[in-house]
Amino acid sequence: GAGVSQSPRYKVAKRGQDVALRCDPISGHVSLFWYQQALGQGPEFLTYFQNEAQLDKSGLPSDRFFAERPEGSVSTLKIQRTQQEDSAVYLCASSLDWLYTDTQYFGPGTRLTVL
Amino acid sequence: RKEVEQDPGPFNVPEGATVAFNCTYSNSASQSFFWYRQDCRKEPKLLMSVYSSGNEDGRFTAQLNRASQYISLLIRDSKLSDSATYLCVAIYQTGANNLFFGTGTRLTVIP
Repeated sequence: GAGVSQSPRYKVAKRGQDVALRCDPISGHVSLFWYQQALGQGPEFLTYFQNEAQLDKSGLPSDRFFAERPEGSVSTLKIQRTQQEDSAVYLCASSLDWLYTDTQYFGPGTRLTVL
Repeated sequence: RKEVEQDPGPFNVPEGATVAFNCTYSNSASQSFFWYRQDCRKEPKLLMSVYSSGNEDGRFTAQLNRASQYISLLIRDSKLSDSATYLCVAIYQTGANNLFFGTGTRLTVIP
């Protein structure tokens, strides 16, 4: 069956550009997470959705970061006025239920490079 | 101090060797623990959950030591295909932002 997909897989942006990263979770999965993974580091939590509700956005590093999941399925992470420190892999994960201990299935990530 | 700390390695071991990784966590209220595997330029995939009583899955054994606040992963009879980065995860309390990944330990199994 289809896993979590993300697009684009690679994105190069000039500093100051806006970018939008898309995540298609596994169909029927209630929970959706966004993580940021810098080179040589583990994933760091950005934000969490339960269906269409964004229940936790405390990990978003600045107000330039915005995420939405308007219909409770596809989610978009938007970064405005990108900076070099935004360069990282952005991972999306979904899980079947609402329990934070449910198995999370990760997408392949979007590698963002800001020049 | 990071919530979850791991020795980044790299660990270079010959095929057939036994290798163990430890991961320490700072919050004693941590409730759930996992090991994930991440291949180079790939996404993390769940390897196994870690239970208080310890658990085994084939060549892999996970242990939890609450008193010393660490979890461990033991890999027996290493295979070339075990080469990857192993990430530990600790979850405490409830809430999505209470899930912490370690930086990962890189393992290379050498022929």
